[in-house]
Amino acid sequence: DAGITQSPRYKITETGRQVTLMCHQTWSHSYMFWYRQDLGHGLRLIYYSAAADITDKGEVPDGYVVSRSKTENFPLTLESATRSQTSVYFCASSSGGALEQFFGPGTRLTVL
Amino acid sequence: QQPVQSPQAVILREGEDAVINCSSSKALYSVHWYRQKHGEAPVFLMILLKGGEQKGHEKISASFNEKKQQSSLYLTASQLSYSGTYFCGTYYRGPNDMRFGAGTRLTVKP
Repeated sequence: DAGITQSPRYKITETGRQVTLMCHQTWSHSYMFWYRQDLGHGLRLIYYSAAADITDKGEVPDGYVVSRSKTENFPLTLESATRSQTSVYFCASSSGGALEQFFGPGTRLTVL
Repeated sequence: QQPVQSPQAVILREGEDAVINCSSSKALYSVHWYRQKHGEAPVFLMILLKGGEQKGHEKISASFNEKKQQSSLYLTASQLSYSGTYFCGTYYRGPNDMRFGAGTRLTVKP
């Protein structure tokens, strides 16, 4: 089906473990984004990508790593998870950096 | 840099109107508005560029005051389906400058 999907939808992990959240879109959008959503903070940009092999930091990039070898995929890795990274993570895509963004369903991550 | 939204929450009866404001301390290139229902992803409503006013979704419209660096979202004759949290996203110079407000929780009651 066309659209933007995220996996897993729910994840529980322990402090210090590596976790990878997946994001896949079928629109061939050039831009993709990762946000985290916490109560009181709204959505905060972690990283974005303007095209395959082009990524850049957002507002809160520390502790996260991204890659984009293919246009349709934009995985987000937490190299050593911390409790402060417990959050809901949304992936989004857009045909332009300033244009409307289409959000995936989100991944609820809990770090114990 | 996070834009300030007001009010934080509002409760309406069906058919009533509401205004949600979004203010920035920096010069804006554009403002995005999104609605998010509980447990779901944010859904795009509209984009406003400098000096522009766009009616993009049902009975929802918005304005952008360039002098005040403020955008307002107008919901008229509210319906139950309008309930949710509304976020403004402010775009300054580039994609890494995108910032979202903390949200306005709108509840429409019968």
